[in-house]
Amino acid sequence: KAGVTQTPRYLIKTRGQQVTLSCSPISGHRSVSWYQQTPGQGLQFLFEYFSETQRNKGNFPGRFSGRQFSNSRSEMNVSTLELGDSALYLCASSADRATGELFFGEGSRLTVL
Amino acid sequence: GQQLNQSPQSMFIQEGEDVSMNCTSSSIFNTWLWYKQDPGEGPVLLIALYKAGELTSNGRLTAQFGITRKDSFLNISASIPSDVGIYFCAGQKAGNQFYFGTGTSLTVIP
Repeated sequence: KAGVTQTPRYLIKTRGQQVTLSCSPISGHRSVSWYQQTPGQGLQFLFEYFSETQRNKGNFPGRFSGRQFSNSRSEMNVSTLELGDSALYLCASSADRATGELFFGEGSRLTVL
Repeated sequence: GQQLNQSPQSMFIQEGEDVSMNCTSSSIFNTWLWYKQDPGEGPVLLIALYKAGELTSNGRLTAQFGITRKDSFLNISASIPSDVGIYFCAGQKAGNQFYFGTGTSLTVIP
């Protein structure tokens, strides 16, 4: 069974640009959540989607957005990039959001110059 | 967002020694998960706990769901060099998002 797949693995952007990251969950998993990981802040929750609906949202500005498609694949978008957005962005999927075991992808490493 | 208190922050141990780390919260959780993360990679799930008092093993790893439901513990016995990495706990309230510990960085000295 394939794991959680995130693309791209690495990307470099400049301030002001926007970026879209993609996540394909484990087959059959309907819940997808996104996290930002930085050395100083640890793992910070961005948002969670279940059956194409955003269920929870973390404390991030509106520049961070996401969506989920009918096949459970998810994308997150960051507009007007800032230097502080440089981080490892992790996607995780679970079969059941109520009692989930959360499985992570390898992440997308974003560097903003 | 809320983060769990995880300790110790870092550990330097000799190969063969046992390791203990824990996570505490002011909130009650229904699920506790423990992860290991290697540099540049995503966290890998080690152990999942669903009941207060539950004790679960995965090879040399043993984790416990605290009786108060506000804490969890992870033990690694007879450490080996490949145990090096950052270990995270995660707690989930019923149907809600997960909250993560700040991580324990483990270094094993051969």
